[in-house]
Amino acid sequence: DSGVTQTPKHLITATGQRVTLRCSPRSGDLSVYWYQQSLDQGLQFLIQYYNGEERAKGNILERFSAQQFPDLHSELNLSSLELGDSALYFCASSYAGSGNTIYFGEGSWLTVV
Amino acid sequence: DQQVKQNSPSLSVQEGRISILNCDYTNSMFDYFLWYKKYPAEGPTFLISISSIKDKNEDGRFTVFLNKSAKHLSLHIVPSQPGDSAVYFCAARELGPGNTGKLIFGQGTTLQVKP
Repeated sequence: DSGVTQTPKHLITATGQRVTLRCSPRSGDLSVYWYQQSLDQGLQFLIQYYNGEERAKGNILERFSAQQFPDLHSELNLSSLELGDSALYFCASSYAGSGNTIYFGEGSWLTVV
Repeated sequence: DQQVKQNSPSLSVQEGRISILNCDYTNSMFDYFLWYKKYPAEGPTFLISISSIKDKNEDGRFTVFLNKSAKHLSLHIVPSQPGDSAVYFCAARELGPGNTGKLIFGQGTTLQVKP
């Protein structure tokens, strides 16, 4: 158990819909990272937050957005969903924002039908 | 543009033998490298890391080697055990402004250790 909690574990939704994935970082960690893993793909970096502020952005679509709240939990919002958005979405956290070692949650499986 | 590449999607070895997983990268600015291990239905877990100022780091059965001139790193597992069967991801850190960093991952190599 890494200490990073993600909900929901599984989600099935229709195209065009919007979903929110939630992440609670390890106790004491200030930085949260979101990654996407599609079929046969590696882990694609989406976005990083540190203590409530966006710090780095990767290949995140404009239909996706994220935020980190004062209690340090984070949410990833996915809107106007397409079939290709079906993937495993991981949240990870670390104490600092330097990203030298990050700890992953178990992921949220999103299936768009 | 894949900055971190694991060219072997899978590897199969016999229990007790050495497993060697390889990773290549293109960005010479990467300063820290890590290996993660992932079992099905679980998140990746940190395994071992190495700073760019070193060429070897060892932790029990796991050793990571870094060849900066070749932009290549490898993970050696000796001896391999059936419980090592998992997907292994190579990752490299890209530092940004304000000492922030993000990890760039390879596509993973599935290791199967046969009893």
